[in-house]
Amino acid sequence: NAGVTQTPKFQVLKTGQSMTLQCAQDMNHEYMSWYRQDPGMGLRLIHYSVGAGITDQGEVPNGYNVSRSTTEDFPLRLLSAAPSQTSVYFCASRAGGAGTDTQYFGPGTRLTVL
Amino acid sequence: DAKTTQPPSMDCAEGRAANLPCNHSTISGNEYVYWYRQIHSQGPQYIIHGLKNNETNEMASLIITEDRKSSTLILPHATLRDTAVYYCIVRVSGLYNTNAGKSTFGDGTTLTVKP
Repeated sequence: NAGVTQTPKFQVLKTGQSMTLQCAQDMNHEYMSWYRQDPGMGLRLIHYSVGAGITDQGEVPNGYNVSRSTTEDFPLRLLSAAPSQTSVYFCASRAGGAGTDTQYFGPGTRLTVL
Repeated sequence: DAKTTQPPSMDCAEGRAANLPCNHSTISGNEYVYWYRQIHSQGPQYIIHGLKNNETNEMASLIITEDRKSSTLILPHATLRDTAVYYCIVRVSGLYNTNAGKSTFGDGTTLTVKP
């Protein structure tokens, strides 16, 4: 299993540009989440999904869109990039069921918005 | 999910046990305690979790107080590679819980293992 994969690893955008961060998992996990981590800070939840076709907002959803058309993929779209969105973005997945909330994280995408 | 409180930083000598505390005084009966760590620039890594009994695996031990209001993660023989930020998270588990998709991380404890 590859686990959770994210692309690209690094990205530089100009203010106002849009882009999609890709996330895929091959563990057949129901739940997937997107986090951002600013320098020296903890992780903050952006959006999450509890299954294909179902998404919901986390702590900091503004400026981001998500969709979940398949179990495997959970892309994060930046609609109009702003310097405040400069951060490291982590995707995570986990299985459902009682006591099985262990999350598996991808390696991250380092985004700089100029 | 209940809020957790962790010290911002701790030091530990290499080869000694590292004991990382976490307070979760508002924990409810169906919430689990999870520990993750994040080594510099990498994605967080799962360590261990528990409900009310103490747990041990190949990485660490988790001690949960009887009232479940606090817990301690123990790395029995810390190495330099254990230097990382350690996150304590308390959350409800279960497929059909409306909060089951959410998981928020605090700022964690930065553990520095010194030679």
